[in-house]
Amino acid sequence: AQSVAQPEDQVNVAEGNPLTVKCTYSVSGNPYLFWYVQYPNRGLQFLLKYITGDNLVKGSYGFEAEFNKSQTSFHLKKPSALVSDSALYFCAVRDVTNAGKSTFGDGTTLTVKP
Amino acid sequence: EAQVTQNPRYLITVTGKKLTVTCSQNMNHEYMSWYRQDPGLGLRQIYYSMNVEVTDKGDVPEGYKVSRKEKRNFPLILESPSPNQTSLYFCASGPTGNTGELFFGEGSRLTVL
Repeated sequence: AQSVAQPEDQVNVAEGNPLTVKCTYSVSGNPYLFWYVQYPNRGLQFLLKYITGDNLVKGSYGFEAEFNKSQTSFHLKKPSALVSDSALYFCAVRDVTNAGKSTFGDGTTLTVKP
Repeated sequence: EAQVTQNPRYLITVTGKKLTVTCSQNMNHEYMSWYRQDPGLGLRQIYYSMNVEVTDKGDVPEGYKVSRKEKRNFPLILESPSPNQTSLYFCASGPTGNTGELFFGEGSRLTVL
């Protein structure tokens, strides 16, 4: 069975500081990893994904994530946080062996203070 | 505009009264899926469909039914809703295969009294 863990319910950072939202995963085969963002009263929006290739992937709004196979992690990062980045962030995994199943983490609320 | 449309967005109903939440996408996606979002539990997959007439259970299928008669539509049916199905529901679609990102609807907030 596949699973995703987001160990922090809440992350607080000051505007202009770097941010990291953590994600670890467990799958039986090779993982396909995704980050989504949810703003209040909205659906989830895709940020970035890792399928294969370079371990550092870049996505929307200046976000990036680093895939670390040995640590089974896929942490989301941004060099300089904005107040408008405040939202709920979800990490998700899809297994190579089962295209239909998508497993999401519990979500991390990011708050960026001015 | 590419979008996933869910209806209704908000619904209050009573235990046992059958209801259907509709989902429609205009991106010609083969894959569609339903999730429920509950505080502290993230998103949990209810059912998914890889293509027309192909559906399969997710992690929490009990109490729900789905059908996929047309490519664009994937309704979620609650035959006899119960209070533990009070939740925020999301429909999503995506291209075939597991490398593509999902496109989500705006959500349907359901309350079962």
